[in-house]
Amino acid sequence: DAKTTQPPSMDCAEGRAANLPCNHSTISGNEYVYWYRQIHSQGPQYIIHGLKNNETNEMASLIITEDRKSSTLILPHATLRDTAVYYCIVRVASINDMRFGAGTRLTVKP
Amino acid sequence: KAGVTQTPRYLIKTRGQQVTLSCSPISGHRSVSWYQQTPGQGLQFLFEYFSETQRNKGNFPGRFSGRQFSNSRSEMNVSTLELGDSALYLCASSLFQGFQETQYFGPGTRLLVL
Repeated sequence: DAKTTQPPSMDCAEGRAANLPCNHSTISGNEYVYWYRQIHSQGPQYIIHGLKNNETNEMASLIITEDRKSSTLILPHATLRDTAVYYCIVRVASINDMRFGAGTRLTVKP
Repeated sequence: KAGVTQTPRYLIKTRGQQVTLSCSPISGHRSVSWYQQTPGQGLQFLFEYFSETQRNKGNFPGRFSGRQFSNSRSEMNVSTLELGDSALYLCASSLFQGFQETQYFGPGTRLLVL
């Protein structure tokens, strides 16, 4: 699996959009970008994933650059409950041994 | 649809003992993976089971083992516990359609080894 680089921490004001970047410059053609988040001491929660097109679901949007070397997770209207560690993972989608990095600790402030 | 469930949620053991953790996947999911999470090492892959067979294995000693039953429920066992085995053990399930897989995690079992 390709290695990812994320900022260790970010702050966001409640109600504003949170934009979490991820660099994955060595991503292979068959690797997907997955995002999970983990609220303290709970199991990671799946957010969204994509291959090369931008994706949106009820939780977030995922923007992947055309060269696929980086992506951004967007939480459109952050709430205090979005405070968590966010993990960006690139992986071959048929292989279930995900490698988690340190992630980004997002703090949403009132 | 119910999520992934893990039992017990909390466990305290002493060094040298063994422990068995249980995971029930989301209904219809056939693949179960196990992960260990510690503050120092982060989240690390232990192994994956599909159709009662180990499909992938991480870099952990043989003291860590697992199995999967015909109903896709899985157990993992750690023998001869060490202090460093204190961690949050997470189970994740996926459909296993052979291509795009999304894993869904359970709440975890927090193990403390004294």
